[in-house]
Amino acid sequence: QITLKESGPTLVKPTQTLTLTCTFSGFSLSTSGVGVAWIRQPPGKALEWLALIYWDDEKRYSPSLKSRLTITKDTSKNQVVLTMTDMDPVDTGTYYCARRGGGIRGKPNWFDPWGQGTLVTVSS
Amino acid sequence: DIQMTQSPSSLSAFLGDRVTITCRASQNISNYLNWYQQKPVKAPNLLIYAASSLQSGVPSRFSGSGSGSGTDFTLTISSLQPEDFATYYCQQSYNTPITFGQGTRLEIK
Repeated sequence: QITLKESGPTLVKPTQTLTLTCTFSGFSLSTSGVGVAWIRQPPGKALEWLALIYWDDEKRYSPSLKSRLTITKDTSKNQVVLTMTDMDPVDTGTYYCARRGGGIRGKPNWFDPWGQGTLVTVSS
Repeated sequence: DIQMTQSPSSLSAFLGDRVTITCRASQNISNYLNWYQQKPVKAPNLLIYAASSLQSGVPSRFSGSGSGSGTDFTLTISSLQPEDFATYYCQQSYNTPITFGQGTRLEIK
């Protein structure tokens, strides 16, 4: 059974740096084709993809947030960490991590399963 | 960026109705199109991947299709059940940035 779970602060102040950890089980991030993504959802709004890290350590970021984001992996701990700098109230929302399923790059792929999400509020 | 446009944004239907949700991509994405269902305060759940493949465990009343143009896709629920009332999102995985549609909220009439 594959599971993912997000952890991190529930409240951060404006300008602070957010660090979120995704701890997963049931798969290895060293297996070809596998990746872990971060996606967020402001209250009452749509899903927004943030970042993705692949099995070979290639990283992709949302262009609009690239300057603020860093994604890393620790294969031995089965964890993926996302940091987001200079937090603002508009960054308030639920942050999800999800496993990238499907094939190697160049093949259809999808997010499944997702973690339960963690609500992050940005407020002074 | 590839823009994903869903229609309608919201939809009211009766139990047992056949419902179709449309997703249009701003460029050809082949079959790199996925559908998710999200219920309130829950994480999204994968329904359909690669445009028309049913995810394991998902009821067969859900189906997905593409027009062949690589830009127009549909999600169909053949006979609405009470547990189907939720928000549905399409998502393209053709290239990064990965993008989602704005969502379609399906409500009980």
